[in-house]
Amino acid sequence: DQQVKQNSPSLSVQEGRISILNCDYTNSMFDYFLWYKKYPAEGPTFLISISSIKDKNEDGRFTVFLNKSAKHLSLHIVPSQPGDSAVYFCAAFRSGAGSYQLTFGKGTKLSVIP
Amino acid sequence: KAGVTQTPRYLIKTRGQQVTLSCSPISGHRSVSWYQQTPGQGLQFLFEYFSETQRNKGNFPGRFSGRQFSNSRSEMNVSTLELGDSALYLCASSPGGSNQPQHFGDGTRLSIL
Repeated sequence: DQQVKQNSPSLSVQEGRISILNCDYTNSMFDYFLWYKKYPAEGPTFLISISSIKDKNEDGRFTVFLNKSAKHLSLHIVPSQPGDSAVYFCAAFRSGAGSYQLTFGKGTKLSVIP
Repeated sequence: KAGVTQTPRYLIKTRGQQVTLSCSPISGHRSVSWYQQTPGQGLQFLFEYFSETQRNKGNFPGRFSGRQFSNSRSEMNVSTLELGDSALYLCASSPGGSNQPQHFGDGTRLSIL
């Protein structure tokens, strides 16, 4: 069973507009969530994270929103730039598990059109 | 500050062989995790090491094993290679505490012929 789901395999956005990437999870024990960006032939790069005690976290053009009741989080990129074109992975973590194991969604490929 | 370094970057093996992949974490990071990325399954957790001890293991067969040395460097071994083991193997490190992001290397691309 897939505990972290990214239901949109791809997303196209015009440069300068907002990109919204969505992620759903099923395991209510997850309490720390992360977004990673991945370019071809490179490893995932950490973007932004949020703890379950918050509902929003901002870092420059990137904002992550967490809705615990809906088990849903989203990543907003404003404004979108061509360099943002990459695959974005949502990941979840259970801090009380005694080990560090990330559970990943399958990714959303974002294309920002100039 | 140097990032996570994985060697080799590319590897070609044949069925039945074994392979060892290496990972050097960010200096000061004590937790090292390994993940397998395939087009169909995405990124899947293999195992995590902390202070030379395996703390957790994913749902992979016993052919997949690993270890961590006292300097936190880690190796992953896959024995009796199968065609389905072709994948990108990613190593990630973190300081070890909760609520801290893992940082990934660029991976080793393993191809099985």
